[in-house]
Amino acid sequence: DTAVSQTPKYLVTQMGNDKSIKCEQNLGHDTMYWYKQDSKKFLKIMFSYNNKELIINETVPNRFSPKSPDKAHLNLHINSLELGDSAVYFCASSQARTTPKGELFFGEGSRLTVL
Amino acid sequence: AQKITQTQPGMFVQEKEAVTLDCTYDTSDPSYGLFWYKQPSSGEMIFLIYQGSYDQQNATEGRYSLNFQKARKSANLVISASQLGDSAMYFCAMREGQDQAGTALIFGKGTTLSVSS
Repeated sequence: DTAVSQTPKYLVTQMGNDKSIKCEQNLGHDTMYWYKQDSKKFLKIMFSYNNKELIINETVPNRFSPKSPDKAHLNLHINSLELGDSAVYFCASSQARTTPKGELFFGEGSRLTVL
Repeated sequence: AQKITQTQPGMFVQEKEAVTLDCTYDTSDPSYGLFWYKQPSSGEMIFLIYQGSYDQQNATEGRYSLNFQKARKSANLVISASQLGDSAMYFCAMREGQDQAGTALIFGKGTTLSVSS
């Protein structure tokens, strides 16, 4: 069973379209994240949720809207896609307090290409 | 200012040799955690090793060890006996503060390691 799963893995779309990426974790973690990895491989935090509550909302265009229906799911909706949105989007989860590390468990990534 | 600095864009090593990947960090918080992740060409992010700011000993996980020098704010990853499968991008990351709930990891720009036979 995949611990953190994202769908779709690949997404090719036209500028101006709206698209969503879904993420689910079966680890029982209480915190989930969205990271963006650009073409230079730099990983940048976009959002984090703890028990469905938005904790981190970095400087991200408001075309990006996360939604957490429950603590096992975190979706990312992107409106009016632009060329610069092309990237790999990683979902991750972690569990505070039960381990001192609180390491992030990552999904496989969703590669978004905007034409 | 960058929180995590990885100054080596690329490193090359022969099989069975050891290699050190550099990482320096910047924080004024006395409580923090340092992480290393591996990203092979297939793209997944693999957690390798963790060091807490209050840990007295350097962390080790199999062939991976973390050379933690707190005063110098460095957390270098040492890979012993390199294998071809170690060829990948390696990221150093930090979490600041004690409250982990929702606190994200801040990543460095990564180092590409190439292992040759």
